[in-house]
Amino acid sequence: TQLLEQSPQFLSIQEGENLTVYCNSSSVFSSLQWYRQEPGEGPVLLVTVVTGGEVKKLKRLTFQFGDARKDSSLHITAAQPGDTGLYLCAGEDTGNQFYFGTGTSLTVIP
Amino acid sequence: GAGVSQSPSNKVTEKGKDVELRCDPISGHTALYWYRQSLGQGLEFLIYFQGNSAPDKSGLPSDRFSAERTGGSVSTLTIQRTQQEDSAVYLCASSLGPLAGGFSRSYEQYFGPGTRLTVT
Repeated sequence: TQLLEQSPQFLSIQEGENLTVYCNSSSVFSSLQWYRQEPGEGPVLLVTVVTGGEVKKLKRLTFQFGDARKDSSLHITAAQPGDTGLYLCAGEDTGNQFYFGTGTSLTVIP
Repeated sequence: GAGVSQSPSNKVTEKGKDVELRCDPISGHTALYWYRQSLGQGLEFLIYFQGNSAPDKSGLPSDRFSAERTGGSVSTLTIQRTQQEDSAVYLCASSLGPLAGGFSRSYEQYFGPGTRLTVT
């Protein structure tokens, strides 16, 4: 089993604050994905990173893949209430199987 | 176009009964995944179908769980003799499958809305 640990598990912040979510593993992945999930819905893909050290930006969200392709981070600048949701990371192994992290539940208070 | 659909959206069953959960993937997607998600938690991999290859069943928690994919399209996840610990949201996802050229990566997964199973 390839375990992906996310931290923090829960995060409640005021609108306008910055935050970082971490996704760590002892395993190497061929790609790593970040998803956002709202209640009653399936996860929706935000980004895929594939190269060690890669940084991708999506508006106020910045994603980084660790140099060794074992860990990743998601940074949100100036959080807004619409960012509220469950953030999940998922690593893909060479057998095209995906291992999901434990999840970070984010609440942004207006 | 139509996304991944799952039915039923909610299922309440008595302990010991069998249940069938259905997934209709996006047309043309060769890969299909089943996951299980407990309240507010991450996803637990159950089974993976890719084209005509034998499915990867390594995530099925017990022999009470089985899944089929007929004609490379619709999939059914069956849970026999349900137990209370089977209560969870069951999510299905489909994708175009692995990238060609030996990249060991896959195209994007698209998830259905899930089936919430409650075993009383």
